[in-house]
Amino acid sequence: RKEVEQDPGPFNVPEGATVAFNCTYSNSASQSFFWYRQDCRKEPKLLMSVYSSGNEDGRFTAQLNRASQYISLLIRDSKLSDSATYLCVVNRGTSGSARQLTFGSGTQLTVLP
Amino acid sequence: DAGVTQSPTHLIKTRGQQVTLRCSPKSGHDTVSWYQQALGQGPQFIFQYYEEEERQRGNFPDRFSGHQFPNYSSELNVNALLLGDSALYLCASSFLYEQYFGPGTRLTVT
Repeated sequence: RKEVEQDPGPFNVPEGATVAFNCTYSNSASQSFFWYRQDCRKEPKLLMSVYSSGNEDGRFTAQLNRASQYISLLIRDSKLSDSATYLCVVNRGTSGSARQLTFGSGTQLTVLP
Repeated sequence: DAGVTQSPTHLIKTRGQQVTLRCSPKSGHDTVSWYQQALGQGPQFIFQYYEEEERQRGNFPDRFSGHQFPNYSSELNVNALLLGDSALYLCASSFLYEQYFGPGTRLTVT
């Protein structure tokens, strides 16, 4: 079983749609959680950190459920520019410094005009 | 403020050769991590350097080695290249929890 699992998609949605991505992780010792976005043949870029209380950044909302070891990302009012691969990322680090990031395989999103 | 930089951008090598990839971290970052990303997969952790020492290592053979310099820049060395080493090699720098990636080096082994 992979340590971080995501639905690979692809998700093809029309502009303006709301889309949700889910992710599960297997290591209960995981300390911090992120969503990264990766455009084709580019490097991953940090989209947002994910907190237990949930957090929102404009059209993007991330949720964490530690009991279920589940992370989600909701994108509202999708734009063409949201087309990318979304990577769920878990950090098994302990306090004080970044440790190794474990990535899911990514979920591919295409927003259609 | 320059972000994470990597060189070279692309590289073509032959099986059995050795390669060195370079990374300069974002200003103010003291930790460098290296990842390998095969096509269609998420990045896989190779190792992490802090204070010029390898602090953590992923599930990669000893053919993969690295170094961190006093200015925090880092090198990744791969010996005895295999066809399966063809991938995008990503460097990420960090100060605390959040890691920021460079543009990567695309290595092709023929």
